[in-house]
Amino acid sequence: DAGITQSPRHKVTETGTPVTLRCHQTENHRYMYWYRQDPGHGLRLIHYSYGVKDTDKGEVSDGYSVSRSKTEDFLLTLESATSSQTSVYFCAISESGTSEAFFGQGTRLTVV
Amino acid sequence: AQRVTQPEKLLSVFKGAPVELKCNYSYSGSPELFWYVQYSRQRLQLLLRHISRESIKGFTADLNKGETSFHLKKPFAQEEDSAMYYCALRDQGAQKLVFGQGTRLTINP
Repeated sequence: DAGITQSPRHKVTETGTPVTLRCHQTENHRYMYWYRQDPGHGLRLIHYSYGVKDTDKGEVSDGYSVSRSKTEDFLLTLESATSSQTSVYFCAISESGTSEAFFGQGTRLTVV
Repeated sequence: AQRVTQPEKLLSVFKGAPVELKCNYSYSGSPELFWYVQYSRQRLQLLLRHISRESIKGFTADLNKGETSFHLKKPFAQEEDSAMYYCALRDQGAQKLVFGQGTRLTINP
């Protein structure tokens, strides 16, 4: 498996609280992505990064922010969690924009 | 805008029967298409990509630009093929993957 880990793996939080999910890679890949997986919607891109401090929005970025201060870490923050953000979140990495994407194990987030 | 559609949320077939998972796409440029698979309790992983034109675990997929399709096929299903399958398209302008809604394939013994 590619060296990519997500933390935490499971989290339950209350509506209105901030939450940060971490994606850590040991592959020195340039590209990192955050997706959410929901039944009936498949995987939808939230944000992605193409280098340190270089990020861009995906199709469902509202309510989320990201930061990448180091090559190996890509953080996803929910500033004020809502029940609609209950989902499974996947991080992915890619050496270049044209190469295979490797996925983390996922983080199951429940907002109550 | 780019879009990937997998019309079947669920697909159930018997062991030994042929399998076809449908994928249609819309994209203005020259598409690069993939199939990813997620087995139970495992990570999402690449199954195959159209540019390599290879067969993985007996699966093949042919890009049909006329029908804008990239259906995944296997002539004889096996129980270990039960999984969630995602079709994906690479948006080459932004270097990101766009996924379909996924199809859960169940192979019955």
